[in-house]
Amino acid sequence: DIQMTQSPSSLSASVGDRVTITCRASQGISNNLAWFQQKPGKAPKSLIYAASSLQSGVPSKFSGSGSGTDFTLTISSLQPEDFATYYCQQYNSYPLTFGPGTRVDIK
Amino acid sequence: EVQLLESGGGLVQPGESLRLSCAASGFTFSTYDMHWVRQAPGKGLEWVSGITGSGGSTYYADSVKGRFTVSRDNPKNTLYLQMNSLRAEDAAIYYCAKRGYLDVWGEGTTVTVSS
Repeated sequence: DIQMTQSPSSLSASVGDRVTITCRASQGISNNLAWFQQKPGKAPKSLIYAASSLQSGVPSKFSGSGSGTDFTLTISSLQPEDFATYYCQQYNSYPLTFGPGTRVDIK
Repeated sequence: EVQLLESGGGLVQPGESLRLSCAASGFTFSTYDMHWVRQAPGKGLEWVSGITGSGGSTYYADSVKGRFTVSRDNPKNTLYLQMNSLRAEDAAIYYCAKRGYLDVWGEGTTVTVSS
């Protein structure tokens, strides 16, 4: 199985900050990586697929990059609605696997 | 509008069974792989099972293999998860989601396993 790790596990940031979250796969997954945002009590929301493709309707302040084993999610200017938990997920092979999540909260 | 709506969750005792359903609308259901993902209270996301658009191939997490069965009824635009021999550790919110990169999610249905 492909193991996914994320760093940091949590971070505190201020409105307007640029935030970067890292995701690493235990083996190469090409660009078969997705990112999700989840707010408390809500279902996850798709942000990015194919490592860098923005899901329809997602604001351009979110961006993704990477290929192979190392990936990043960047939020260019953090807004109050962006405080949430973020997960990466590989869909290169079964079983599909998720990272443990990165919680972004207010400094 | 693309929508997924799960149902069938509830409170069961260990060892009992439950069948979850996911009603899809707004897209050509038979064209897409579908998946079940769960989230235990206060925990992260765990993929449970997937099925190809035709239903010809199914996939399972090791934690549910042999106990859970995924299926679909394409004319009814519905995905199912039959869960047998439920354990306390199966308690979670169960979400259905569309295609490998899970671009659309339902709101989830809650499964509680307790004696």
